[in-house]
Amino acid sequence: AQKVTQAQTEISVVEKEDVTLDCVYETRDTTYYLFWYKQPPSGELVFLIRRNSFDEQNEISGRYSWNFQKSTSSFNFTITASQVVDSAVYFCALSERDNFNKFYFGSGTKLNVKP
Amino acid sequence: NAGVTQTPKFQVLKTGQSMTLQCAQDMNHEYMSWYRQDPGMGLRLIHYSVGAGITDQGEVPNGYNVSRSTTEDFPLRLLSAAPSQTSVYFCASSYSGDTGNTIYFGEGSWLTVV
Repeated sequence: AQKVTQAQTEISVVEKEDVTLDCVYETRDTTYYLFWYKQPPSGELVFLIRRNSFDEQNEISGRYSWNFQKSTSSFNFTITASQVVDSAVYFCALSERDNFNKFYFGSGTKLNVKP
Repeated sequence: NAGVTQTPKFQVLKTGQSMTLQCAQDMNHEYMSWYRQDPGMGLRLIHYSVGAGITDQGEVPNGYNVSRSTTEDFPLRLLSAAPSQTSVYFCASSYSGDTGNTIYFGEGSWLTVV
């Protein structure tokens, strides 16, 4: 069965701190895709990254970085030097190649960055 | 450059009323879907469509109806609204390309059933 778990319901940090959001997934498919979305207070879903299951290279984009480890079925997201504008709910999601119209979302992690 | 457009953005319904959430995409994607977002539960799939004339149930289909008469449109109907359907609804369209699956979301519709 497909499942995405984000165990951290809410995290609070002070500006400039680093923070890591955890994501653990379950799937039987050998080809799948993992995503991170940001949902700011305005409510829209903002795409951050897509990672293919056959590409385990870590990725860095500015202050954002992602650590994909198939051995532990994890796809963690780190924000370096957090800013108040990073305050949002972050969702991890899974899509399988052969059933790609279905996306499975974690329950989200609410990040509060305080000045 | 519209992407996925859903209307209305906000709606208040009385229990038992019916309504339709509209969704349109201009990217010629075959695949469209509806999700609902509830506090602490992430997004859950309600119904999806793999092309015009083809629909199927997702994880939480009860109380909702869909149809897909064109590639562009995928409306979601609430036949008899219940307070349990108070939620935020997202329409999405997706495709599978050479580099993988990609999904585009609408901006969301906030529905309150009183």
